[in-house]
Amino acid sequence: DTGVSQDPRHKITKRGQNVTFRCDPISEHNRLYWYRQTLGQGPEFLTYFQNEAQLEKSRLLSDRFSAERPKGSFSTLEIQRTEQGDSAMYLCASSLLYPLSGQGISGANVLTFGAGSRLTVL
Amino acid sequence: AQSVSQHNHHVILSEAASLELGCNYSYGGTVNLFWYVQYPGQHLQLLLKYFSGDPLVKGIKGFEAEFIKSKFSFNLRKPSVQWSDTAEYFCAVIVTSGTYKYIFGTGTRLKVLA
Repeated sequence: DTGVSQDPRHKITKRGQNVTFRCDPISEHNRLYWYRQTLGQGPEFLTYFQNEAQLEKSRLLSDRFSAERPKGSFSTLEIQRTEQGDSAMYLCASSLLYPLSGQGISGANVLTFGAGSRLTVL
Repeated sequence: AQSVSQHNHHVILSEAASLELGCNYSYGGTVNLFWYVQYPGQHLQLLLKYFSGDPLVKGIKGFEAEFIKSKFSFNLRKPSVQWSDTAEYFCAVIVTSGTYKYIFGTGTRLKVLA
């Protein structure tokens, strides 16, 4: 397992277009998180999944944002009708909810991040 | 609502200086606390974590952090920084009941001068 993969790494789009990002988490991780990060800021929580269930979505997120995690494996984040303010790095991270056998509690709730998908909206 | 505050946005130190970065969180329930680091051009990665037990936790590269429950704080320390510690440091909190939402602070950009 090579860690968390995100695709594409960079996306340039015109305002009003739709974009979709994909995240492939570590295979045994049951939690998957999406964050947005802009320069000089920390990762801003967008949404997260436990297996295939989307358990929480940030109230900061407009209806233009939607995320899915079919079958509890990879996840997609779609932004419809992009705006210049959507320009940011979109980060995906995954974690275990419960530690694996023999790992002790310390294996749970530790996020493994992907490299991120940088979106530029012109 | 759950939040994390980091007081120092930019810190510049000379090599061998001591480091302390502040982190306060607002939530009264049971939490797990973390420091993540992002080296230039690299992914965010775990530096250290606190789940329970000894409030002084040790992480990689000589970093440690102390959880003070009464102050809702989890400050990061290193007795002697190196040039290679130049990075951005993020404090994070996860509430271990209810939402399990994972919240990050705004980060502290550390520059260590050789």
